Amino acid sequence: DIVMTQSPATLSVSLGERATLSCRASQSISNNLTWYQQKAGQTPRLLIYDASTRATGIPARFTGSGSGTEFTLTITSLQSEDLAVYYCHQHYNWLWTFGQGTKVEIK
Amino acid sequence: QVRLVQSGAEVKRPGSSVKVSCKASGFPFSDYIFNWLRQAPGQGLEWMGRFIPLVGVTVYAPSFQDRLTITADVNTNTVYMEMSSLRSADTAVYYCARFGVDEYTGYYMDVWGKGTTVTVSS
Repeated sequence: DIVMTQSPATLSVSLGERATLSCRASQSISNNLTWYQQKAGQTPRLLIYDASTRATGIPARFTGSGSGTEFTLTITSLQSEDLAVYYCHQHYNWLWTFGQGTKVEIK
Repeated sequence: QVRLVQSGAEVKRPGSSVKVSCKASGFPFSDYIFNWLRQAPGQGLEWMGRFIPLVGVTVYAPSFQDRLTITADVNTNTVYMEMSSLRSADTAVYYCARFGVDEYTGYYMDVWGKGTTVTVSS
Protein backbone atom coordinates (compact mmCIF):
# COMPACT_ATOMS: atom_id res chain seq x y z
CA ASP A 1 0.00 0.00 0.00
CA ILE A 2 1.06 3.58 -0.60
CA VAL A 3 1.03 5.37 2.74
CA MET A 4 0.06 9.02 2.70
CA THR A 5 1.33 11.05 5.65
CA GLN A 6 -0.02 14.51 6.31
CA SER A 7 1.49 17.10 8.59
CA PRO A 8 0.78 18.72 10.85
CA ALA A 9 -2.28 17.02 12.31
CA THR A 10 -3.62 20.40 13.42
CA LEU A 11 -2.65 23.80 12.10
CA SER A 12 -3.58 27.02 13.90
CA VAL A 13 -3.41 30.07 11.70
CA SER A 14 -4.58 33.64 12.17
CA LEU A 15 -7.11 35.06 9.77
CA GLY A 16 -5.37 36.59 6.79
CA GLU A 17 -2.21 34.58 7.32
CA ARG A 18 -0.80 31.74 5.21
CA ALA A 19 -1.48 28.07 5.95
CA THR A 20 0.87 25.44 4.58
CA LEU A 21 -0.21 21.80 4.67
CA SER A 22 2.07 18.93 3.73
CA CYS A 23 1.41 15.50 2.31
CA ARG A 24 4.07 12.87 1.75
CA ALA A 25 3.69 9.62 -0.18
CA SER A 26 5.65 6.50 0.75
CA GLN A 27 6.60 6.07 -2.91
CA SER A 28 6.42 8.22 -6.01
CA ILE A 29 2.88 8.88 -7.19
CA SER A 30 3.78 11.32 -9.98
CA ASN A 31 1.09 14.01 -9.86
CA ASN A 32 -1.77 11.62 -9.06
CA LEU A 33 -2.67 13.58 -5.97
CA THR A 34 -5.94 15.23 -5.02
CA TRP A 35 -6.83 17.48 -2.12
CA TYR A 36 -10.27 17.51 -0.50
CA GLN A 37 -11.75 19.88 2.04
CA GLN A 38 -14.24 18.62 4.57
CA LYS A 39 -16.06 21.03 6.82
CA ALA A 40 -17.70 19.78 9.99
CA GLY A 41 -20.78 17.71 9.23
CA GLN A 42 -20.35 18.05 5.47
CA THR A 43 -19.37 15.90 2.53
CA PRO A 44 -15.78 16.16 1.24
CA ARG A 45 -15.32 18.79 -1.44
CA LEU A 46 -12.84 18.61 -4.30
CA LEU A 47 -10.21 21.36 -4.04
CA ILE A 48 -7.16 20.49 -6.11
CA TYR A 49 -6.54 17.71 -8.61
CA ASP A 50 -3.47 16.56 -10.52
CA ALA A 51 -1.53 18.00 -7.58
CA SER A 52 -1.83 21.60 -8.70
CA THR A 53 -5.04 22.29 -10.65
CA ARG A 54 -7.80 24.08 -8.81
CA ALA A 55 -11.24 22.58 -9.22
CA THR A 56 -14.08 24.66 -10.61
CA GLY A 57 -15.18 27.37 -8.20
CA ILE A 58 -12.25 27.04 -5.83
CA PRO A 59 -10.83 30.41 -4.79
CA ALA A 60 -7.38 31.37 -6.00
CA ARG A 61 -6.06 31.49 -2.43
CA PHE A 62 -5.85 27.67 -2.58
CA THR A 63 -2.69 26.46 -4.31
CA GLY A 64 -1.39 22.95 -4.72
CA SER A 65 2.16 22.03 -5.60
CA GLY A 66 4.56 19.12 -5.70
CA SER A 67 5.09 15.85 -7.50
CA GLY A 68 6.63 12.49 -6.79
CA THR A 69 6.46 12.08 -3.02
CA GLU A 70 6.16 15.59 -1.61
CA PHE A 71 3.07 17.75 -1.94
CA THR A 72 1.86 21.00 -0.44
CA LEU A 73 -1.47 22.73 -0.14
CA THR A 74 -1.16 26.42 0.57
CA ILE A 75 -3.96 28.66 1.66
CA THR A 76 -2.88 32.26 1.32
CA SER A 77 -4.77 34.75 3.45
CA LEU A 78 -6.83 32.28 5.50
CA GLN A 79 -10.54 33.05 5.71
CA SER A 80 -12.97 31.95 8.43
CA GLU A 81 -14.77 29.70 5.96
CA ASP A 82 -11.55 27.73 5.44
CA LEU A 83 -11.92 26.09 8.84
CA ALA A 84 -11.99 22.42 7.88
CA VAL A 85 -10.07 19.17 7.67
CA TYR A 86 -8.02 18.77 4.52
CA TYR A 87 -7.23 15.35 3.08
CA CYS A 88 -4.75 14.34 0.42
CA HIS A 89 -5.59 11.32 -1.72
CA GLN A 90 -3.47 9.28 -4.12
CA HIS A 91 -4.94 7.46 -7.10
CA TYR A 92 -1.60 6.40 -8.56
CA ASN A 93 -2.35 2.73 -8.17
CA TRP A 94 -5.52 0.73 -7.92
CA LEU A 95 -5.50 0.71 -4.11
CA TRP A 96 -6.42 4.25 -3.22
CA THR A 97 -5.26 5.73 0.05
CA PHE A 98 -5.80 8.96 1.94
CA GLY A 99 -3.76 10.92 4.37
CA GLN A 100 -5.12 11.10 7.90
CA GLY A 101 -6.06 14.75 7.43
CA THR A 102 -4.91 18.16 8.65
CA LYS A 103 -7.34 20.16 10.70
CA VAL A 104 -7.06 23.88 10.06
CA GLU A 105 -8.25 26.01 12.92
CA ILE A 106 -8.33 29.71 13.48
CA LYS A 107 -5.76 31.00 15.93
CA GLN B 1 -28.70 18.29 -12.24
CA VAL B 2 -25.60 16.22 -11.59
CA ARG B 3 -25.97 14.31 -8.36
CA LEU B 4 -25.63 11.09 -6.44
CA VAL B 5 -28.52 10.30 -4.14
CA GLN B 6 -27.92 7.78 -1.39
CA SER B 7 -30.39 5.78 0.64
CA GLY B 8 -31.22 6.64 4.21
CA ALA B 9 -29.61 5.89 7.53
CA GLU B 10 -29.53 2.34 8.83
CA VAL B 11 -29.27 0.77 12.26
CA LYS B 12 -28.06 -2.82 12.25
CA ARG B 13 -27.27 -5.57 14.73
CA PRO B 14 -23.78 -7.06 14.88
CA GLY B 15 -23.47 -9.97 12.47
CA SER B 16 -26.15 -8.68 10.11
CA SER B 17 -25.78 -7.10 6.66
CA VAL B 18 -26.54 -3.70 5.22
CA LYS B 19 -27.18 -2.58 1.67
CA VAL B 20 -26.82 1.06 0.67
CA SER B 21 -27.83 2.48 -2.69
CA CYS B 22 -26.46 5.37 -4.71
CA LYS B 23 -28.50 6.64 -7.65
CA ALA B 24 -26.73 8.72 -10.27
CA SER B 25 -28.46 11.33 -12.37
CA GLY B 26 -27.61 14.20 -14.68
CA PHE B 27 -24.62 12.62 -16.42
CA PRO B 28 -23.73 9.54 -18.51
CA PHE B 29 -23.41 6.63 -16.08
CA SER B 30 -20.77 4.80 -18.10
CA ASP B 31 -18.46 7.82 -18.25
CA TYR B 32 -17.49 7.43 -14.62
CA ILE B 33 -16.23 5.03 -12.01
CA PHE B 34 -18.30 4.76 -8.85
CA ASN B 35 -16.51 4.47 -5.56
CA TRP B 36 -17.56 3.63 -2.05
CA LEU B 37 -15.74 5.21 0.86
CA ARG B 38 -16.44 5.36 4.54
CA GLN B 39 -15.64 7.60 7.46
CA ALA B 40 -15.88 6.35 11.02
CA PRO B 41 -16.80 8.92 13.69
CA GLY B 42 -13.97 11.40 14.12
CA GLN B 43 -11.79 9.52 11.65
CA GLY B 44 -10.50 10.04 8.12
CA LEU B 45 -11.63 8.77 4.75
CA GLU B 46 -11.19 5.14 3.75
CA TRP B 47 -11.63 3.83 0.23
CA MET B 48 -13.56 0.56 0.09
CA GLY B 49 -14.05 -0.34 -3.54
CA ARG B 50 -15.22 0.73 -6.97
CA PHE B 51 -17.51 -0.26 -9.82
CA ILE B 52 -16.51 0.48 -13.41
CA PRO B 53 -19.69 0.50 -15.57
CA LEU B 54 -17.81 0.66 -18.88
CA VAL B 55 -16.35 -2.80 -18.36
CA GLY B 56 -18.61 -4.13 -15.62
CA VAL B 57 -15.70 -4.65 -13.24
CA THR B 58 -15.67 -4.32 -9.48
CA VAL B 59 -12.53 -3.82 -7.42
CA TYR B 60 -12.28 -4.14 -3.65
CA ALA B 61 -9.79 -2.90 -1.11
CA PRO B 62 -8.15 -5.94 0.53
CA SER B 63 -9.47 -5.03 3.97
CA PHE B 64 -13.05 -5.32 2.69
CA GLN B 65 -12.60 -8.10 0.13
CA ASP B 66 -14.37 -10.82 2.10
CA ARG B 67 -17.34 -8.79 3.41
CA LEU B 68 -18.13 -6.25 0.72
CA THR B 69 -20.19 -6.65 -2.44
CA ILE B 70 -20.65 -3.80 -4.90
CA THR B 71 -23.29 -4.22 -7.57
CA ALA B 72 -25.07 -1.99 -10.01
CA ASP B 73 -28.28 -1.71 -12.00
CA VAL B 74 -27.30 0.03 -15.21
CA ASN B 75 -30.97 0.38 -16.16
CA THR B 76 -31.59 2.69 -13.21
CA ASN B 77 -28.04 4.09 -12.90
CA THR B 78 -27.85 2.85 -9.34
CA VAL B 79 -24.85 1.40 -7.54
CA TYR B 80 -25.19 -0.68 -4.40
CA MET B 81 -22.84 -1.42 -1.53
CA GLU B 82 -23.59 -4.42 0.64
CA MET B 83 -21.52 -5.29 3.67
CA SER B 84 -21.97 -8.45 5.67
CA SER B 85 -20.97 -9.67 9.13
CA LEU B 86 -21.26 -6.17 10.52
CA ARG B 87 -19.48 -5.24 13.72
CA SER B 88 -19.43 -2.10 15.82
CA ALA B 89 -16.26 -0.92 14.07
CA ASP B 90 -18.30 -0.65 10.86
CA THR B 91 -20.30 2.21 12.34
CA ALA B 92 -19.55 5.03 9.92
CA VAL B 93 -20.84 7.35 7.25
CA TYR B 94 -20.68 5.61 3.88
CA TYR B 95 -20.20 7.73 0.78
CA CYS B 96 -20.43 7.06 -2.90
CA ALA B 97 -18.45 9.31 -5.24
CA ARG B 98 -17.84 9.40 -8.97
CA PHE B 99 -14.38 9.44 -10.56
CA GLY B 100 -13.73 10.16 -14.23
CA VAL B 101 -12.35 7.67 -16.73
CA ASP B 102 -10.28 10.08 -18.82
CA GLU B 103 -8.82 13.57 -18.83
CA TYR B 104 -12.14 14.96 -20.08
CA THR B 105 -14.22 13.56 -17.25
CA GLY B 106 -11.40 14.11 -14.78
CA TYR B 107 -9.28 11.89 -12.56
CA TYR B 108 -10.86 13.06 -9.32
CA MET B 109 -13.97 12.59 -7.19
CA ASP B 110 -15.96 15.72 -7.88
CA VAL B 111 -19.49 14.58 -7.07
CA TRP B 112 -20.29 12.84 -3.82
CA GLY B 113 -23.44 11.49 -2.30
CA LYS B 114 -24.49 13.09 0.97
CA GLY B 115 -23.50 9.99 2.87
CA THR B 116 -25.42 7.23 4.61
CA THR B 117 -24.95 6.73 8.31
CA VAL B 118 -24.76 3.08 9.27
CA THR B 119 -24.87 2.36 12.98
CA VAL B 120 -24.03 -1.12 14.20
CA SER B 121 -25.22 -1.71 17.72
CA SER B 122 -26.72 -4.44 19.81
